[in-house]
Amino acid sequence: AQSVTQLDSHVSVSEGTPVLLRCNYSSSYSPSLFWYVQHPNKGLQLLLKYTSAATLVKGINGFEAEFKKSETSFHLTKPSAHMSDAAEYFCVVSEGRGSTLGRLYFGRGTQLTVWP
Amino acid sequence: DAGVTQSPTHLIKTRGQQVTLRCSPKSGHDTVSWYQQALGQGPQFIFQYYEEEERQRGNFPDRFSGHQFPNYSSELNVNALLLGDSALYLCASSLNQGNIPGELFFGEGSRLTVL
Repeated sequence: AQSVTQLDSHVSVSEGTPVLLRCNYSSSYSPSLFWYVQHPNKGLQLLLKYTSAATLVKGINGFEAEFKKSETSFHLTKPSAHMSDAAEYFCVVSEGRGSTLGRLYFGRGTQLTVWP
Repeated sequence: DAGVTQSPTHLIKTRGQQVTLRCSPKSGHDTVSWYQQALGQGPQFIFQYYEEEERQRGNFPDRFSGHQFPNYSSELNVNALLLGDSALYLCASSLNQGNIPGELFFGEGSRLTVL
């Protein structure tokens, strides 16, 4: 079974300081992992994805994540937070390829607040 | 290029009623998935349609049903509404590429309130 645990429901940082959003996953298969962002009253937007290529994945808006199989983690980081980064972030696992692709398992989300 | 569009954006129903939500996928996409996002929770998979057939289904009762049309658009129907069905319903489209993981594009959702 696939599941995702986001270790923090809320994270607050000051603008210009680093961001760390933590995620652990459980998967019976070789997983695909994603981070999505959801701004208020907006749809979910893909930040980045890991699909068994390079373990350090770079995404949009300066975000990156590192896949660590030994720790079953996929933490999201950004060197310097911006006010526009304030949003809800979801760590997501997908078990499969082909016909099973599209069934995503979402974490409960981490609300990121950025203080000026 | 229009992304994923959903309608209506907001609606209010009473218990026992039925609702139909609609989704038009991103141009060129052939697969539509539906998710339910309760307040304060992550989205949960309802089902996925490809080639006008339900290909996968999550842990939702039969009151939740869907349809995909030849133009790849899709509908989500919920019968006998319960208070607990109040949520944001998200549609996501993708292109079936066999074993290559593709990206899901999400619409902004339909917010259903059941009174």
